[in-house]
Amino acid sequence: DTGVSQDPRHKITKRGQNVTFRCDPISEHNRLYWYRQTLGQGPEFLTYFQNEAQLEKSRLLSDRFSAERPKGSFSTLEIQRTEQGDSAMYLCASSQVMGGAEAFFGQGTRLTVV
Amino acid sequence: AQRVTQPEKLLSVFKGAPVELKCNYSYSGSPELFWYVQYSRQRLQLLLRHISRESIKGFTADLNKGETSFHLKKPFAQEEDSAMYYCALRSTGTASKLTFGTGTRLQVTL
Repeated sequence: DTGVSQDPRHKITKRGQNVTFRCDPISEHNRLYWYRQTLGQGPEFLTYFQNEAQLEKSRLLSDRFSAERPKGSFSTLEIQRTEQGDSAMYLCASSQVMGGAEAFFGQGTRLTVV
Repeated sequence: AQRVTQPEKLLSVFKGAPVELKCNYSYSGSPELFWYVQYSRQRLQLLLRHISRESIKGFTADLNKGETSFHLKKPFAQEEDSAMYYCALRSTGTASKLTFGTGTRLQVTL
């Protein structure tokens, strides 16, 4: 499978712990997006990178959330001091820069905070 | 602020019946509209976009700017169409982020 890859697929953590997720985009894609999806909702935009630069962050992304894309390739999303409300599916997507480019999604990381 | 509304959480139809999944949006500029589909145990994938004006798997969607709608239609539903469908909006001239609706589950029964 040469699509967007996310790791891990599932993560169960205790409240207060830190977690980190990884996303590997399609290799020639410059843009990388993070979305969060809770039960019964559509994906909600969190942040996006163009190459290594983080160009936009949603107000949903509290101070406990941080995302990086250090070499413009893979990206990590870290959540510090997890709360039960952080339980969700975290989706990564990538696309080319050109206008109208399709966003390809990964299979997501399902986080459960207990 | 931009918003996408999908009023139906579940739409159940018989095989061979017509399908219409509703999508309304609010946005002050000229948006790009998309339909994404998620089949069971698969990732979210693009079904079609309004600028392409194409038919994919028998589905079509027309952007109606007057009614701010982008309903997804298929004349004859198939079992394999059963899936979760999300309407999404992308504002032009920005970061290309997508704003999704809450989704409609289409269930096609025999």
